[in-house]
Amino acid sequence: QTVVTQEASLTVSPGGAVTLTCASSTGPVTSSFYPNWFQQKPGQPPRPLIYNTDKRHSWTPARFSGSLLGGRAALTLSGVQPEDEAEYHCLLYSGDAQVFGGGTKLTVL
Amino acid sequence: QVQLVQSGSELTKPGASVKVSCKGSGYAFSSYALNWVRRVPGQGLEWMGWINTNTGSPTYAQGFTGRFVFSLDTSIGAAFLQISGLTPEDSAVYYCARDGLGGEVFDYWGQGSLVTVSS
Repeated sequence: QTVVTQEASLTVSPGGAVTLTCASSTGPVTSSFYPNWFQQKPGQPPRPLIYNTDKRHSWTPARFSGSLLGGRAALTLSGVQPEDEAEYHCLLYSGDAQVFGGGTKLTVL
Repeated sequence: QVQLVQSGSELTKPGASVKVSCKGSGYAFSSYALNWVRRVPGQGLEWMGWINTNTGSPTYAQGFTGRFVFSLDTSIGAAFLQISGLTPEDSAVYYCARDGLGGEVFDYWGQGSLVTVSS
């Protein structure tokens, strides 16, 4: 079964930028993995941010962008706001299954 | 507006069964697949599988076969997750999440249902 790996934690300053990545145990992540990104805050369900690698949902702020970077899916936050402090989950489609990564806890400090 | 409303928290004993509901509104329920996702405290999200809300055909992810059953009642626009033979390791928050159109998977989520298994 595919294992999806994310950074356990990252810290960013308000107004700064940060890139979160998502790797697959099967090899380089491509658009055929249809990468998705979700934001989750304590006590809330995940909130979808990005689908199909780089497409924003209608409610996703423009400071969130998705891409492929060095064989991984990537989520870049630019102009980070205090309210962006949350856990971020990536999701890959692999082997007829959806697989979540372990999540990245982003601290804004 | 699209909403998925789940049933409330459950406190159950080992060996028992539990049934979680997920009721959709604001859209054509049978036109959008539904996923089930588990979050065990301190761990990441786990995809449990999905159900075709048009045919009722379920697909279970690895690790979620046998004790887990997805079902529907399309007359009321609801999906159900039943777990039997509960163990403390099944203690988690269970979410339903809709697959939208055009690749927008997991576009709307229920609020989550906390299941606690304890003797």
